[in-house]
Amino acid sequence: GQNIDQPTEMTATEGAIVQINCTYQTSGFNGLFWYQQHAGEAPTFLSYNVLDGLEEKGRFSSFLSRSKGYSYLLLKELQMKDSASYLCAVTAGGGSYIPTFGRGTSLIVHP
Amino acid sequence: DTAVSQTPKYLVTQMGNDKSIKCEQNLGHDTMYWYKQDSKKFLKIMFSYNNKELIINETVPNRFSPKSPDKAHLNLHINSLELGDSAVYFCASSQGAQSHEQFFGPGTRLTVL
Repeated sequence: GQNIDQPTEMTATEGAIVQINCTYQTSGFNGLFWYQQHAGEAPTFLSYNVLDGLEEKGRFSSFLSRSKGYSYLLLKELQMKDSASYLCAVTAGGGSYIPTFGRGTSLIVHP
Repeated sequence: DTAVSQTPKYLVTQMGNDKSIKCEQNLGHDTMYWYKQDSKKFLKIMFSYNNKELIINETVPNRFSPKSPDKAHLNLHINSLELGDSAVYFCASSQGAQSHEQFFGPGTRLTVL
């Protein structure tokens, strides 16, 4: 099985930087996703990391360390609209890309 | 223009009833999925269909049966609904079973009374 752990809730100030961590334990790791989900809406894809290192995409960056079973999502220049749940998900085992999701981190951005 | 659509958006029903949720995608994707998201926001895979063939079925009660008439549609039928089935059900699709990005539908909020 897979075990994915991320903080339940975080708060941050508009304009600041926030880092959301995700640790995982799995065998046959393939890759790690980050999805964003606003309240009452569907999840939307943010990033997918397969190799170690940092991948930057605008204000959002995602980092992966396969040896440590660790990832983080970095959000810069926070905006109020970034208030949402951030879901970490891993895929593992024989080429399957079906993600197993963590419980998500609810991020609250305040003025 | 909607990429992945689901109907209905809300479904309120009594215990013991049978209901269906429909899903359609116009992205030309080969693979479709059903997820259940419970009250604690935990998103869990239920089924995946690749080119109309079931390729994954996590430990879901057999009261739940997916039906895929063609690769653009994946419907979910639920028999003998129970209180614990109350959740938001998301349909999703991706380009191939090994594609990494999934596109989610808007969700169907099912409430069983």
